[in-house]
Amino acid sequence: AQSVTQLDSQVPVFEEAPVELRCNYSSSVSVYLFWYVQYPNQGLQLLLKYLSGSTLVKGINGFEAEFNKSQTSFHLRKPSVHISDTAEYFCAVSNNAGNMLTFGGGTRLMVKP
Amino acid sequence: DAGVIQSPRHEVTEMGQEVTLRCKPISGHNSLFWYRQTMMRGLELLIYFNNNVPIDDSGMPEDRFSAKMPNASFSTLKIQPSEPRDSAVYFCASSPQGILTEAFFGQGTRLTVV
Repeated sequence: AQSVTQLDSQVPVFEEAPVELRCNYSSSVSVYLFWYVQYPNQGLQLLLKYLSGSTLVKGINGFEAEFNKSQTSFHLRKPSVHISDTAEYFCAVSNNAGNMLTFGGGTRLMVKP
Repeated sequence: DAGVIQSPRHEVTEMGQEVTLRCKPISGHNSLFWYRQTMMRGLELLIYFNNNVPIDDSGMPEDRFSAKMPNASFSTLKIQPSEPRDSAVYFCASSPQGILTEAFFGQGTRLTVV
């Protein structure tokens, strides 16, 4: 079984500042990792995913994440945030069959002017 | 494509009533997922269909919950009888090849049981 921990429930940050949203996972097998974003009253939208290959993954809206197997982490970063990035961000892991997705508790990113 | 379509967007019902949530997946997708989102428990996978067949329903809370997928373009999640603790946002998602590729989510149904 796998699990996902997002250590920060809320991250306030000023506009144009860098941000890192932390995600750690536990699994006894190889996993695939995802970050989703949820805007208010919307469904979830995929930001990026790691399946294999390069450990640095670039996604939409200027976000990127780095897979670190030794630390079992998949932190999400953006060098300069915008007001429009205010949303809830979910880290997720799937099993090696790729058919079961487990989500973390989410991190609410609040970008202030 | 219009994406995953869920109806209704909002549902308010009285305890004990039957509730049916509906989902139309993206055409051509062969996997469909029902999730429930609450403040206390976050996002939970309820059930997963592949090619209209339920593959894993271990996340379904109890017998009051049932899900069907009679064809590739329609699925329902039914709660009978409903209870206040069922209040949540229910999401449907579809994927062309299971989660490995990408899950496309609907906008959700916000259920309130009073």
